[in-house]
Amino acid sequence: EAQVTQNPRYLITVTGKKLTVTCSQNMNHEYMSWYRQDPGLGLRQIYYSMNVEVTDKGDVPEGYKVSRKEKRNFPLILESPSPNQTSLYFCASSSRGDTGELFFGEGSRLTVL
Amino acid sequence: KQEVTQIPAALSVPEGENLVLNCSFTDSAIYNLQWFRQDPGKGLTSLLLIQSSQREQTSGRLNASLDKSSGRSTLYIAASQPGDSATYLCAVYTGGFKTIFGAGTRLFVKA
Repeated sequence: EAQVTQNPRYLITVTGKKLTVTCSQNMNHEYMSWYRQDPGLGLRQIYYSMNVEVTDKGDVPEGYKVSRKEKRNFPLILESPSPNQTSLYFCASSSRGDTGELFFGEGSRLTVL
Repeated sequence: KQEVTQIPAALSVPEGENLVLNCSFTDSAIYNLQWFRQDPGKGLTSLLLIQSSQREQTSGRLNASLDKSSGRSTLYIAASQPGDSATYLCAVYTGGFKTIFGAGTRLFVKA
């Protein structure tokens, strides 16, 4: 089954404690992206990757890091989480941006105390 | 800067009604437009993808149209059911690996 898998689905952590949210897709997609969704602000792009070892900032990259060492994986790293990073996070992938359908993971709800 | 607007923000209809959700975008230079469904606290499920060269796409009771020149798309849901209750989002791909999302329309279908 074609899917985008995120882990963990739910996480409560404290300020400053580094964490990683993993994302993996099994569709051999070149393009992957991270979004955060907040009430009243909609979905905002954090980082994206066009292929292995190629990443770039989205609209709200501050406080986040990413890496793309393998085609299927695109982890999101919060080096020193803060309460304003409490949000619902989504990973997405696509075969090609200009014609490809965007597939989303189930989401990871993160709470930073 | 591309902006995507969805109207109405919320909609409540009785079961069986046909309904239309609207999506408008400010820049007609898009590659594709996608409609999604999101259930509370869940991920986004792709419903329909319309390429810039297409006018409409259909899947079951859903029909989406695209008018690039006027910057509009509509999602038509026929014979609505309580299971259709969800938030519906439209998103446009503008190139540069950027997809811009609307804020969504929250739909409630009453049994």
